[in-house]
Amino acid sequence: DQQVKQNSPSLSVQEGRISILNCDYTNSMFDYFLWYKKYPAEGPTFLISISSIKDKNEDGRFTVFLNKSAKHLSLHIVPSQPGDSAVYFCAASAQGTYKYIFGTGTRLKVLA
Amino acid sequence: KAGVTQTPRYLIKTRGQQVTLSCSPISGHRSVSWYQQTPGQGLQFLFEYFSETQRNKGNFPGRFSGRQFSNSRSEMNVSTLELGDSALYLCASSFGASNQPQHFGDGTRLSIL
Repeated sequence: DQQVKQNSPSLSVQEGRISILNCDYTNSMFDYFLWYKKYPAEGPTFLISISSIKDKNEDGRFTVFLNKSAKHLSLHIVPSQPGDSAVYFCAASAQGTYKYIFGTGTRLKVLA
Repeated sequence: KAGVTQTPRYLIKTRGQQVTLSCSPISGHRSVSWYQQTPGQGLQFLFEYFSETQRNKGNFPGRFSGRQFSNSRSEMNVSTLELGDSALYLCASSFGASNQPQHFGDGTRLSIL
């Protein structure tokens, strides 16, 4: 049972435009959500997180939106840069479980 | 500030052997989690340790085990290796409170022949 789903395996965006990566979850106990970026031959790098008490969190070019009723979160990257080309993972956790469930990733390609 | 260090980076074993992977967390971090990454499967949670105690584990067979030492360093052991155990094994550390970001090492690539 895949509790965290990233239904788009890949996404291509022109440099300077907005990249929107989506993630859906099924477990209503999840209350903390994260996005990671992964380059080949490196471990995932933490990008941004959001608690379920918020519906938006911003950090520079990265904004995460959380829609609890739809059990959906998205990562917006504006403007997209070629260096953003990587695999992006969303992850979720429930308070007190110390366990993070990851999606299968979306490969973003930013075209120059 | 040094990041999470995993050793070795690459490992080749044969079926039936056992293997031990090592993870040194970021200084001050007391929680260490292990994940298995295979193509198309994302990161699958193996287990999490805090202050030498396993607080949670994923749905992996008993051949997969781990431990944490008093200095927070952690090891993961896989016994009786199978071809399907070929994967990237990632370690992540955090301070240990719930709902905190984890920081990952670059992983150990394990290949089973």
